[in-house]
Amino acid sequence: NAGVTQTPKFRVLKTGQSMTLLCAQDMNHEYMYWYRQDPGMGLRLIHYSVGEGTTAKGEVPDGYNVSRLKKQNFLLGLESAAPSQTSVYFCASSSPPGLAGLYEQYFGPGTRLTVT
Amino acid sequence: EDKVVQSPLSLVVHEGDTVTLNCSYEVTNFRSLLWYKQEKKAPTFLFMLTSSGIEKKSGRLSSILDKKELFSILNITATQTGDSAIYLCAAGYGNTGKLIFGQGTTLQVKP
Repeated sequence: NAGVTQTPKFRVLKTGQSMTLLCAQDMNHEYMYWYRQDPGMGLRLIHYSVGEGTTAKGEVPDGYNVSRLKKQNFLLGLESAAPSQTSVYFCASSSPPGLAGLYEQYFGPGTRLTVT
Repeated sequence: EDKVVQSPLSLVVHEGDTVTLNCSYEVTNFRSLLWYKQEKKAPTFLFMLTSSGIEKKSGRLSSILDKKELFSILNITATQTGDSAIYLCAAGYGNTGKLIFGQGTTLQVKP
C-alpha cells in the first residue's frame, strides 16, 4: 500500500517552460487536492477534485490547470512557469467528510519545483 | 474572509520542556480542527477535533478545542529532539473536505 505518491520529486524549470506533476493514490479516495507550500505561509489550496472527471478552483489557482481522468490520479499542470511558482507542491487525498466531519487528508511526499 | 492563525510562529526549547502551540480560527461552516506534524517531507496527521472540551491524547501530545472561543491548543510535554518539526493547524469546513491551514509553528528542541 503506497498511499499517495508524487512524481517527480524535484524539478528545475526555466521561465516559460511547461510541466505536469502527477499524483497517484491507492486508497480508493474520492477527493484529491493540490497544495503549494511557501515559507511562513502554511499550505495553500490550488485546485481540488471531488470525483473522477470533476475539478474546482482553490485559493490560489492562477497559472495552474488540473485534470482527474481516473479516480486514482490527479495531474497538476503549469503551462508557462514563472519564478513566483517556485515552491513545494503537495498532493493529498481523502474520503468525503460525511456527517461525522472526518476531514483527515493523506499527503504525498511533495515535489520541489524551482523556476529560474 | 476565512482564516486560521497560529502562534507562536517559531519556538526554541530544551529537551524536557513543555510547550503549548496555539491555533485560532474564523471559518464559515466550520466542521473540524486538525493538527499535523511536518518534518522534512509530507505532513502527518496528529489529531482531529470536532467537539469542544474533549481532550485528545497520544503519548506526550494532547489537544483540545474550544468552539465558543474559536481556538485550539496542542500541548507537548517532556519534549524530545524528535519533536522538532513544523506543526500545522487546519480547519475543515463545508462538504468538499477542504482544509484551511495556518502558517505553521516551527518548533526546535535543543538537547
